Amino acid sequence: NAGVMQNPRHLVRRRGQEARLRCSPMKGHSHVYWYRQLPEEGLKFMVYLQKENIIDESGMPKERFSAEFPKEGPSILRIQQVVRGDSAAYFCASSNRNYGYTFGSGTRLTVV
Amino acid sequence: AQTVTQSQPEMSVQEAETVTLSCTYDTSESDYYLFWYKQPPSRQMILVIRQEAYKQQNATENRFSVNFQKAAKSFSLKISDSQLGDAAMYFCALTNRDDKIIFGKGTRLHILP
Repeated sequence: NAGVMQNPRHLVRRRGQEARLRCSPMKGHSHVYWYRQLPEEGLKFMVYLQKENIIDESGMPKERFSAEFPKEGPSILRIQQVVRGDSAAYFCASSNRNYGYTFGSGTRLTVV
Repeated sequence: AQTVTQSQPEMSVQEAETVTLSCTYDTSESDYYLFWYKQPPSRQMILVIRQEAYKQQNATENRFSVNFQKAAKSFSLKISDSQLGDAAMYFCALTNRDDKIIFGKGTRLHILP
């Protein structure tokens, strides 16, 4: 069992470009959560998804950010027209609803 | 709204000594879980210990134990026999039935050789 796989590990984008972050949950997990971590801060909840459904997106910025978890394939966090303030570490976690969360290693996004 | 507060941004402990990290939280739910996560420089989030709110007995995992005071909404982490590998950021976290995990801002733990 490979755990939660996130890629890329590091991503550099110029201002105005799009960033796509991928997360493959643990085998058997059907719930995916995205979190953002700014330097020296804790993780902030962004969105909670199940297959083909967004359950809770209360932490997601209203513009430029979107997330999906299709029937097949990884969950994708998409950031359009990135700005310097989007630079952060983005973590994905998966669970099977018995409060067993497993985190990926994160994607560090740098906007230049 | 649920909140998690860690009032100690940084702490230091001598190797082999014991250290306690503080955490307080607020929730209106009766059914919830509390966690301590460790984040070393590798950035990986590692679950240290988990406590179910309905259990009165404090959780223990080897050298790590918690002091869960439900009425006071306090959830401190005790690390015994501190080791160099314990140096990391430690995050206290809370989740309830809606499954969102709310994290504190973290405590950076330094281990002094």
